[in-house]
Amino acid sequence: IAGITQAPTSQILAAGRRMTLRCTQDMRHNAMYWYRQDLGLGLRLIHYSNTAGTTGKGEVPDGYSVSRANTDDFPLTLASAVPSQTSVYFCASSREGRGEAFFGQGTRLTVV
Amino acid sequence: SQQGEEDPQALSIQEGENATMNCSYKTSINNLQWYRQNSGRGLVHLILIRSNEREKHSGRLRVTLDTSKKSSSLLITASRAADTASYFCATEDSNYQLIWGAGTKLIIKP
Repeated sequence: IAGITQAPTSQILAAGRRMTLRCTQDMRHNAMYWYRQDLGLGLRLIHYSNTAGTTGKGEVPDGYSVSRANTDDFPLTLASAVPSQTSVYFCASSREGRGEAFFGQGTRLTVV
Repeated sequence: SQQGEEDPQALSIQEGENATMNCSYKTSINNLQWYRQNSGRGLVHLILIRSNEREKHSGRLRVTLDTSKKSSSLLITASRAADTASYFCATEDSNYQLIWGAGTKLIIKP
């Protein structure tokens, strides 16, 4: 089934640990995004990539890094997790970086 | 910073009634999109309305856009229990970035 797959579904992480959230899409979309969703704040963009090999910073990039080595994969890394990074993380993609976005099912991350 | 603001934050209605949610935004846009999020799930695209359009329909959904007031509304007619979800508006700016509101939580009572 075409779409976006995120892993893991949920994770409890000790503060200070490094963590990579995985995101893979099979729709050959050029643009991919990472958002965090916190209660009452809607979605906030962390990083994005308009095409393989390029990335950009969103609204809340600090403490996160991304890479886009190929079209399908867009991993998000927390180098040293802090409790304020407790959130639900969504990966999304769109065909040409405009119009309809397709979302993964999310990763619920708790940093303790 | 958030561009869209949904109103109301929460809405509870009886099954069969119509539900109306509003979204306001601050800057010029390419388009405005509405998404639905069921509890614990990812967001699903519902409808997109371009800045030069005023009204759009999709099944039981009707979206209006007033660029002079920088506002949009989403009407769900003849609501069903399955419509219970959170609804988000997102505006696409001139850089093709989506900026999201905080959402409206809709509860349909049987």
